Amino acid sequence: QKEVEQNSGPLSVPEGAIASLNCTYSDRGSQSFFWYRQYSGKSPELIMSIYSNGDKEDGRFTAQLNKASQYVSLLIRDSQPSDSATYLCAVGTSYGKLTFGQGTILTVHP
Amino acid sequence: GAGVSQTPSNKVTEKGKYVELRCDPISGHTALYWYRQSLGQGPEFLIYFQGTGAADDSGLPNDRFFAVRPEGSVSTLKIQRTERGDSAVYLCASSPGTIDTQYFGPGTRLTVL
Repeated sequence: QKEVEQNSGPLSVPEGAIASLNCTYSDRGSQSFFWYRQYSGKSPELIMSIYSNGDKEDGRFTAQLNKASQYVSLLIRDSQPSDSATYLCAVGTSYGKLTFGQGTILTVHP
Repeated sequence: GAGVSQTPSNKVTEKGKYVELRCDPISGHTALYWYRQSLGQGPEFLIYFQGTGAADDSGLPNDRFFAVRPEGSVSTLKIQRTERGDSAVYLCASSPGTIDTQYFGPGTRLTVL
């Protein structure tokens, strides 16, 4: 079993729809959770960070964390073509080492 | 302010050669991380520095890989006797603390012919 698993893609949604990205992790001691966006040929850039159970909203993005289920998700509302990218789920240890999922490719079509 | 910078942006070398990859973190960030990303995969942890010391080097694949951060700022990842399987994008990230957000540099694309 992989340490961090993301829902298999690619994921395609129409412009204006909600995109839902999911991630599960195996280490119950994980303390920090991140969603990064990566455009082709570029480095990862932070979208959201979440540290405690529940929802965290930032603009069109909502991150959800459920430590009991070892599950973290990202919802993108009103998806735009510019949201088309690879989304990486990353889980952090107590000292910050990140373990990444394999990424989910999202395509938002007009 | 200035972000994380990495040099060179691209490096092409021949099998068996030695390479050095440089990372200049965000000023004041004490934590520095190296990751390696192969095509179609998420970044894979290599090594973590807190200040000048390597606090965790468990991700280094073998003893051909070594990294230093002598003054607690700039870090250099060194790869000896490069192999074709070392070809990847090497990413550096820095963070103000340990569980804080990591900010990634643009990466160095290493190609071993």
